[in-house]
Amino acid sequence: QVQLQESGPGLVKPSQTLSLTCSVSGDSINSGGYYWTWIRQPAGKGLEWIGRIYASGITNYNPSLKSRITISIDTSRNRFSLDLSSVTAADTAVYFCSAVKEGANWFDPWGQGTLVTVSS
Amino acid sequence: DIVMTQSPDSLAVSLGERATINCRPSQSILSSSNNQDSLAWYQQKPGQPPKVVIYWASTRESGVPDRFSGSGSGTDFTLTISSLQAEDVAVYYCQQYYSSPLTFGGGTRVEIK
Repeated sequence: QVQLQESGPGLVKPSQTLSLTCSVSGDSINSGGYYWTWIRQPAGKGLEWIGRIYASGITNYNPSLKSRITISIDTSRNRFSLDLSSVTAADTAVYFCSAVKEGANWFDPWGQGTLVTVSS
Repeated sequence: DIVMTQSPDSLAVSLGERATINCRPSQSILSSSNNQDSLAWYQQKPGQPPKVVIYWASTRESGVPDRFSGSGSGTDFTLTISSLQAEDVAVYYCQQYYSSPLTFGGGTRVEIK
């Protein structure tokens, strides 16, 4: 069973870049059969899909964030990462990483999530 | 983008009674590859990530109690909890996976009356 764990700074200053990593265990990130995603949730609000990456490195981003997002994959360390540039208070949220079985497209499993606050 | 409209925003149901949540995509989400609707339902309890309960609009995830059921087609879908239990208190979200960007409904909070 694939398990995921987010890590990264809990506090980021406005205009800086938010960087998070999702460590995958239980399977190789490069084994095929999954792609890897980021989702966020502002406090008390709904869920927003950020983007996804395949083991091949192919990415697909939410157009609402596309100009500020980079998702990358490190198969040697079995992890993938999110960089979100030029952050503002509106980017304050719990950030989740999730796996998606190819051909399925629903999110399962999820990491526990990590709260990132944008504040000076 | 496909907009997912959920209703109601919240509902309070007595223990053992039925809870019904609606989800309306702004367009058809019928997959041509398998003729199934590309809709999932998630349950999110406080402090936890969401957990999938239903996919392909009506297929129950393994381990999910059979009091949870999904139905609907076209642009009108429903999640039903046939006999609400205390452990079902949560926020429920629908999600379409028909096209990118993948989008969620706004959520429905289910509480005990």
